Amino acid sequence: DAGITQSPRHKVTETGTPVTLRCHQTENHRYMYWYRQDPGHGLRLIHYSYGVKDTDKGEVSDGYSVSRSKTEDFLLTLESATSSQTSVYFCATTGGSPLAKNIQYFGAGTRLSVL
Amino acid sequence: GQQLNQSPQSMFIQEGEDVSMNCTSSSIFNTWLWYKQDPGEGPVLLIALYKAGELTSNGRLTAQFGITRKDSFLNISASIPSDVGIYFCAGSISGGSNYKLTFGKGTLLTVNP
Repeated sequence: DAGITQSPRHKVTETGTPVTLRCHQTENHRYMYWYRQDPGHGLRLIHYSYGVKDTDKGEVSDGYSVSRSKTEDFLLTLESATSSQTSVYFCATTGGSPLAKNIQYFGAGTRLSVL
Repeated sequence: GQQLNQSPQSMFIQEGEDVSMNCTSSSIFNTWLWYKQDPGEGPVLLIALYKAGELTSNGRLTAQFGITRKDSFLNISASIPSDVGIYFCAGSISGGSNYKLTFGKGTLLTVNP
């Protein structure tokens, strides 16, 4: 258990509404990632962070923004949710050092439905 | 970008059978990871591989890092019902690209008791 908590675990929202998902970690890991998981696509990287206030885009970043004001928290925001953003969202972290050995630890996920 | 081809996409087996799945890459990796995802949960690391040719076991699971550094396989021996889930391979270049992983699309394993 890498001490990663995602909230909420489930959310149903309407098209056009803003949504924020939260990832909280207790491991003091430098790197944090947001993925979405969809049938037939596996895990796709949305955004990642390599430190407080340092973030960058992943392969499917359109329609998403992130913020990291503290080491332990990484927020994913859908500014105006669309039905195509219905998915399961996972947060992951890694220490970001040779000792961390590239292993990412995952949260339990947030299931988001956009109606 | 980098791509991982994971096969098979799904497997239906009887309890007690052995299972084999593999991943191939268009690029060289120096780290291969295998994860398992139970229904409703996040992926959990099973085995990590760091050297070409490395063979590592974790109970009934065995994984190998291919000599070409472009492939890896995972074997499960004597499958049991709790082996059900999705198995993902992931590769990366240590220390590069902000420690990002490239994931395969997963192998869905169903075990019939």
